[in-house]
Amino acid sequence: AQSVTQPDIHITVSEGASLELRCNYSYGATPYLFWYVQSPGQGLQLLLKYFSGDTLVQGIKGFEAEFKRSQSSFNLRKPSVHWSDAAEYFCAVVPSGNTGKLIFGQGTTLQVKP
Amino acid sequence: DGGITQSPKYLFRKEGQNVTLSCEQNLNHDAMYWYRQDPGQGLRLIYYSQIVNDFQKGDIAEGYSVSREKKESFPLTVTSAQKNPTAFYLCASSISGVEVVGYTFGSGTRLTVV
Repeated sequence: AQSVTQPDIHITVSEGASLELRCNYSYGATPYLFWYVQSPGQGLQLLLKYFSGDTLVQGIKGFEAEFKRSQSSFNLRKPSVHWSDAAEYFCAVVPSGNTGKLIFGQGTTLQVKP
Repeated sequence: DGGITQSPKYLFRKEGQNVTLSCEQNLNHDAMYWYRQDPGQGLRLIYYSQIVNDFQKGDIAEGYSVSREKKESFPLTVTSAQKNPTAFYLCASSISGVEVVGYTFGSGTRLTVV
């Protein structure tokens, strides 16, 4: 079945440590790929997106993501986490040829230890 | 500034009542979407509309209804037929067409059945 999977429901890292959040998709053709962040009780904010071209994309707040076609993955990374990065992170895809509907993963909650 | 406004932020409903959640955008976006968010389940698409006077069911449309009489407005009615309406509801909009730039989200409405 076509899906977006975020394998880690909850991740805890220490402030200043590096971060990697995983995202895998199961669609035949390369979809459009997105990462969003959500603070508690708020809407979602776009961190970055990938459509084509360079497989390493830079986003806001120091985040980056790498598209790996062979692994059907689009993992989000940050070299040094700040306490303000604690939030819920969603990977999302628009399957190619789709009408533009975003399909979301289940989300990963990031906790940052002082 | 352009954006999406959802109101109210908190809404309480008695069982058996219909309630309407408001979503207004001044981004001149063609497409609008309603998502439901429950803990651990990510975002699930309820309804979407790509043009005025037209809308389609998403994955969990049962118990919900929408209208799209104006480009800037896409209200969602949660009817008494919705068995478990307590959730966080998010409205989003985007330009339609081939160039997908992701969605802009509102700040959400938390609906509680009392």
